[in-house]
Amino acid sequence: SQTIHQWPATLVQPVGSPLSLECTVEGTSNPNLYWYRQAAGRGLQLLFYSVGIGQISSEVPQNLSASRPQDRQFILSSKKLLLSDSGFYLCAWSVRLGVNTEAFFGQGTRLTVV
Amino acid sequence: KQEVTQIPAALSVPEGENLVLNCSFTDSAIYNLQWFRQDPGKGLTSLLLIQSSQREQTSGRLNASLDKSSGRSTLYIAASQPGDSATYLCAVMDDYKLSFGAGTTVTVRA
Repeated sequence: SQTIHQWPATLVQPVGSPLSLECTVEGTSNPNLYWYRQAAGRGLQLLFYSVGIGQISSEVPQNLSASRPQDRQFILSSKKLLLSDSGFYLCAWSVRLGVNTEAFFGQGTRLTVV
Repeated sequence: KQEVTQIPAALSVPEGENLVLNCSFTDSAIYNLQWFRQDPGKGLTSLLLIQSSQREQTSGRLNASLDKSSGRSTLYIAASQPGDSATYLCAVMDDYKLSFGAGTTVTVRA
């Protein structure tokens, strides 16, 4: 069966520090991978998605970047964190797009920038 | 751009009452619609997936309907229990991504 791992679960970082969040998927090949952010009391906002190794699409311009160095690994990074980067970050995966495409989410990372 | 709206934003009911959660979306060109459950501080758990050609999907006490032409979906939870307390999110899959509503936070009082 497929599983998704996301870490760390919580993170407190000072303003201006770098960030690296990692997500890995097991039990499937060539998945679509996604990074979402959930601000308090708001819906999920898509940040990045990837359909293959090295292929990254950005939904919104911001202080973050993403990379996919391996088929089942997705990394969210920042060189210098801002206070506004605080939030709940969720990684997700799905199979290739179709009517049966179902998305599965990791347990999330709570990031607090202080 | 797809816009997904969920009404109400919050709902509080006594145990045993049936729950009705509404979701609407603006662009009917979707592959499918998913309902998720989110517990506080946790990730999303997929509850039901309805393909664009389907009218409804059932799992246990949960039933979700889809009217793609009018851009609406409804999640019914029968005989609610305190353990059903959570935030419920609907999301539509189009092109390449899921677009989410802001969710309905449900509290079931014992």
